Amino acid sequence: EVQLVQSGAELKRPGESLRISCKVSGYSFTNYWINWVRQMPGRGLEWMGRIDPSDSFVFYGSSFQGHVRISVDQSISTAFLQWSNLEASDSATYYCAREVGRLEFDLWGQGTVVSVSS
Amino acid sequence: IVLTQSPATLSLSPGERATLSCRASQSVSGSSLAWYQQKPGQAPRLLIYDVSNRATGIPARFSGSGSGTDFTLTISSLEPEDFAIYYCHQRSNWGGFEFTFGPGTKVDI
Repeated sequence: EVQLVQSGAELKRPGESLRISCKVSGYSFTNYWINWVRQMPGRGLEWMGRIDPSDSFVFYGSSFQGHVRISVDQSISTAFLQWSNLEASDSATYYCAREVGRLEFDLWGQGTVVSVSS
Repeated sequence: IVLTQSPATLSLSPGERATLSCRASQSVSGSSLAWYQQKPGQAPRLLIYDVSNRATGIPARFSGSGSGTDFTLTISSLEPEDFAIYYCHQRSNWGGFEFTFGPGTKVDI
């Protein structure tokens, strides 16, 4: 089955680091870009960035550049989103999504809820 | 490029026609516009890509149209499962690469 399976919910404190994951199965990992999308509680979708799993080339959204890091591990067909210094405002649901064609995200992970609170 | 969606909320009944608008602050190049549906507690689902192409498994009551800066998602006859939030999505290469989502239109009963 073609799917993206994300890691589980996280509860962290401000200033802590975090890495969440998105494991791909059912297709060749290196064939399609993976994107990360943030959704804050009760809010809309915000594009964070995209990575080409074949060479780890990354584009970051202007609002997220310098605050998160996107990476992949080809050996385990997994993409990662990480923070080195979490803030309360990072509390959100994070989705990974496969990009096909010109821009469409045809396959989404189930979402990872990140809660940051002191 | 900034995307604006209207109305913010659309209150309709099953069987009615829904017309959702997405306007871009600059012309969207290369038919790079898509629509997604999101229900509470679920990930978004791709409905329409390249302005007017339905994604796999999407019913024919969903259609997309438009060009330049003005785009429309139409649901010809609302089914109970169509009450959700709808987002438009575009790609821009202006001044560097960026994807943008609109703020969403909520279709409720």
